Amino acid sequence: AQTVTQSQPEMSVQEAETVTLSCTYDTSESDYYLFWYKQPPSRQMILVIRQEAYKQQNATENRFSVNFQKAAKSFSLKISDSQLGDAAMYFCAYRSGGSARQLTFGSGTQLTVLP
Amino acid sequence: NAGVTQTPKFQVLKTGQSMTLQCAQDMNHEYMSWYRQDPGMGLRLIHYSVGAGITDQGEVPNGYNVSRSTTEDFPLRLLSAAPSQTSVYFCASSHGTGPAEQYFGPGTRLTVT
Repeated sequence: AQTVTQSQPEMSVQEAETVTLSCTYDTSESDYYLFWYKQPPSRQMILVIRQEAYKQQNATENRFSVNFQKAAKSFSLKISDSQLGDAAMYFCAYRSGGSARQLTFGSGTQLTVLP
Repeated sequence: NAGVTQTPKFQVLKTGQSMTLQCAQDMNHEYMSWYRQDPGMGLRLIHYSVGAGITDQGEVPNGYNVSRSTTEDFPLRLLSAAPSQTSVYFCASSHGTGPAEQYFGPGTRLTVT
């Protein structure tokens, strides 16, 4: 079974600065997908960014980018120019490419943005 | 489009009571899932469905039943509620699997006393 580990329960960043959230995963599969979801206090789950394992290029979405290290099974999220609205719980998630099973989530990182 | 809707938003049950959490989506998605979220543990998959009439177990299926009679609806039934089922429950849907984005409902906070 796949596992996803987020070793930073809490992080904080100064507004306008950059922060990196860590995620590692364990799998024996070669075909899979990785995601970062954001959960603000409203509880709504929002997709931030996704990465296909077969793509070497790191995904980028505006101020959000990932550092995908396939051999190390690492998938970190970098948030640049942090804004107050970025404050939320962030979850790393894994989905197998060869199965209909849905997402396996990490335990989350609570991000605080300091004004 | 309303997206994924869940009812109720909050519920308090006594141990042993049964109830159904409702989930509906209007995006014609084949895939639907139920997750529970507990503090410090992220979201865990309870059951999922790949289409009407087809369901399968996730990571933590015990104590829960599901059925999928239509594409739109995917109710989650608690047969005999236990305090260990106190959690926030999320329903999600997606068009396909792989890289497809899962769309989540707003969640149901369930407390079992």
